[in-house]
Amino acid sequence: DTAVSQTPKYLVTQMGNDKSIKCEQNLGHDTMYWYKQDSKKFLKIMFSYNNKELIINETVPNRFSPKSPDKAHLNLHINSLELGDSAVYFCASRSAGTGELFFGEGSRLTVL
Amino acid sequence: DQQVKQNSPSLSVQEGRISILNCDYTNSMFDYFLWYKKYPAEGPTFLISISSIKDKNEDGRFTVFLNKSAKHLSLHIVPSQPGDSAVYFCAASRQAGTALIFGKGTTLSVSS
Repeated sequence: DTAVSQTPKYLVTQMGNDKSIKCEQNLGHDTMYWYKQDSKKFLKIMFSYNNKELIINETVPNRFSPKSPDKAHLNLHINSLELGDSAVYFCASRSAGTGELFFGEGSRLTVL
Repeated sequence: DQQVKQNSPSLSVQEGRISILNCDYTNSMFDYFLWYKKYPAEGPTFLISISSIKDKNEDGRFTVFLNKSAKHLSLHIVPSQPGDSAVYFCAASRQAGTALIFGKGTTLSVSS
């Protein structure tokens, strides 16, 4: 039973398109994140939501818009995709007790 | 500006020997540190953590050492096994509840 699940796992699209990545966690955690792993392999925080409210928004272009319909879901919508958006995007949720992050399997986005 | 640095991109070790992965940080406000392990095409998984009130935490074959004065932590794996071959990420946060800042990762290869 997958704790943090993301869909799709792979996404290939053209520049200028709009796409979404969905994330769901069944761990009952209040806080969820989106991280981006770029070609240099850095895992960088993008957004953090706590109980459906945005609490961290790193310097991410406003083409990226997270949406949290409820605390178990944090979706990422990207408008006007650019080549530089190609990366693996990881969703994660955090245990309030231990501070440990639980990651999804990642969604590899390729922009052509 | 990298707040968490893993200066060795790769490490090769023979099965049965000790693996030592190093991590340095620059932000003296960090007080919670974690190690994550990542296999290809999977999300990072939590391995072990340590808070700044300790200088050592052990879990089976894995031990994390923290040297606050040097702003340095290390992960020791002994004995190393081929299944330990993966990318290891060091991560830090200011409190157990805030976003984790990750290093670039070290690829460990354990040969039999």
